[in-house]
Amino acid sequence: NAGVMQNPRHLVRRRGQEARLRCSPMKGHSHVYWYRQLPEEGLKFMVYLQKENIIDESGMPKERFSAEFPKEGPSILRIQQVVRGDSAAYFCASGTGTSGNEQFFGPGTRLTVL
Amino acid sequence: SQQGEEDPQALSIQEGENATMNCSYKTSINNLQWYRQNSGRGLVHLILIRSNEREKHSGRLRVTLDTSKKSSSLLITASRAADTASYFCATAVYNQGGKLIFGQGTELSVKP
Repeated sequence: NAGVMQNPRHLVRRRGQEARLRCSPMKGHSHVYWYRQLPEEGLKFMVYLQKENIIDESGMPKERFSAEFPKEGPSILRIQQVVRGDSAAYFCASGTGTSGNEQFFGPGTRLTVL
Repeated sequence: SQQGEEDPQALSIQEGENATMNCSYKTSINNLQWYRQNSGRGLVHLILIRSNEREKHSGRLRVTLDTSKKSSSLLITASRAADTASYFCATAVYNQGGKLIFGQGTELSVKP
């Protein structure tokens, strides 16, 4: 049973470009959570999705950020018109969606904006 | 202050000593989880303790939870150099669908 997979592992973008981060949950998990970790900080919740639904996006910046989890394929976190402040590690976790259970994290995507 | 604050921020000990890290939180929780992160890497899940549990063990790890004080502690016994990492507590807030609120972490350094 493969764990949570994220790609790419490293992504470099110039200011103004778009970044697309992908996350494939563990087999049997239908819930995906995205977190962002700025340098020297803990992880901050961004968005929680179920297949074809956004359940909670209270941690998402209001502009330039969007997320989806289509019926087929991985979850995608999209950042449009990236700025230097978007440079961070973005982690995806998957779970069963019940708050009593643990989440399994992917290796993260490290985004660097030049 | 934020949900899930760890204390201390940094801890340096010798191999063989015990390491204790503390975490405080503010809201009602379903469970509290501890994770380890090696520098520049992903998170490794260590242990989950539910709100109705007081203590849990896993190998050299011991976690306690005091819901009346809204605090938890992680004890690593007989530490090893390989335990050097950042440790985060994360709370699954009650009725919030499982999203986790992370603290800032404790950076543990175990010197050989």
